[in-house]
Amino acid sequence: AQTVTQSQPEMSVQEAETVTLSCTYDTSESDYYLFWYKQPPSRQMILVIRQEAYKQQNATENRFSVNFQKAAKSFSLKISDSQLGDAAMYFCALGYNFNKFYFGSGTKLNVKP
Amino acid sequence: KAGVTQTPRYLIKTRGQQVTLSCSPISGHRSVSWYQQTPGQGLQFLFEYFSETQRNKGNFPGRFSGRQFSNSRSEMNVSTLELGDSALYLCASSLPASNTGELFFGEGSRLTVL
Repeated sequence: AQTVTQSQPEMSVQEAETVTLSCTYDTSESDYYLFWYKQPPSRQMILVIRQEAYKQQNATENRFSVNFQKAAKSFSLKISDSQLGDAAMYFCALGYNFNKFYFGSGTKLNVKP
Repeated sequence: KAGVTQTPRYLIKTRGQQVTLSCSPISGHRSVSWYQQTPGQGLQFLFEYFSETQRNKGNFPGRFSGRQFSNSRSEMNVSTLELGDSALYLCASSLPASNTGELFFGEGSRLTVL
């Protein structure tokens, strides 16, 4: 069975500081993708960053980067220089063929000015 | 380019009733997925449609069903509503050539069952 676990229900970070959100997953498949999605309050969920499991290099998108440890089945998200607009629910997701995604329960990120 | 549109945005039903939710994907997107979001449970996959065919299905009872039309618009139906069906139902679409690419989400339909 495929599972995605986010063990931090809520986190806080000071503006301009760095924060890391944790995610672990379990799968027996070899071909899969990992994602971090952001859901701002009362707004649409949007993609933050995507990682193909076959790629060893960690993905980076501006202030967002991941630490992908395939053997440990760990996929953490680092947000550098945190901004007030980063406050949201963050979901880690495991994706397979035909767009079947498994999502974690989410981490609520608070950004303090 | 218009985003994913879901209707209705909010609705209230009573136990035993049925409900139909609609989703219009981004133009050109042929894959449409549905998710149920509840507090503490995150998002749970309901089903995915591509070219009017259900390609994937989650672990929900048969009361949850869906379909996709030739214009890629999709509907999901929940029959014999239960209190536990209260949730935010999210629709997501993706590019036709992408089997595991980015999902583009709608704002959701918030269903309350009394």
